[in-house]
Amino acid sequence: SAVISQKPSRDICQRGTSLTIQCQVDSQVTMMFWYRQQPGQSLTLIATANQGSEATYESGFVIDKFPISRPNLTFSTLTVSNMSPEDSSIYLCSAVTGNYGYTFGSGTRLTVV
Amino acid sequence: GENVEQHPSTLSVQEGDSAVIKCTYSDSASNYFPWYKQELGKRPQLIIDIRSNVGEKKDQRIAVTLNKTAKHFSLHITETQPEDSAVYFCAARLTTDSWGKFQFGAGTQVVVTP
Repeated sequence: SAVISQKPSRDICQRGTSLTIQCQVDSQVTMMFWYRQQPGQSLTLIATANQGSEATYESGFVIDKFPISRPNLTFSTLTVSNMSPEDSSIYLCSAVTGNYGYTFGSGTRLTVV
Repeated sequence: GENVEQHPSTLSVQEGDSAVIKCTYSDSASNYFPWYKQELGKRPQLIIDIRSNVGEKKDQRIAVTLNKTAKHFSLHITETQPEDSAVYFCAARLTTDSWGKFQFGAGTQVVVTP
């Protein structure tokens, strides 16, 4: 199955700043997905990123807070803007690879202080 | 939209015993149901999946069963080993939404004690 590289793996950021997370897939994929996972919790979908169009955001997530880029079929970025401590979480990108299942990136552990 | 419920939230088993995790889904049109294993500090990894035209699928010590009528599916782990300790997530693909979009269950923390 495909390999998804995600960076940074972790970061500690000051409140009010922004962090951009990058994901690189080693093959072309139609859709990429960005998830947030609070400690000990399940995966919550933030948005779906399709190349060549604006990302589709889930309820509770907005483009101004989580702008996404999808410049080509192997790459995507998620920016967490104007961060507050409530944004501390693990952020995961993913894509459908192989037959049907997701492959996840290694995750970004974000701490906002 | 799709809603996936997963039980139990925690499961402790003795090494060698079996573990069963159950999930129910709400959208009868959902047609693909993967299971993911997430070890501490690592990314979720697909361990087994099943499509709606199949009732059971097995891969060595793990198996998944699907009851479309009742809208539930289960993960079965036999002869559990300490390395099976992890959080397991079930998921259902939302066929009414963008292709590839999943709804995840809340997760089950499995602890296998030697």
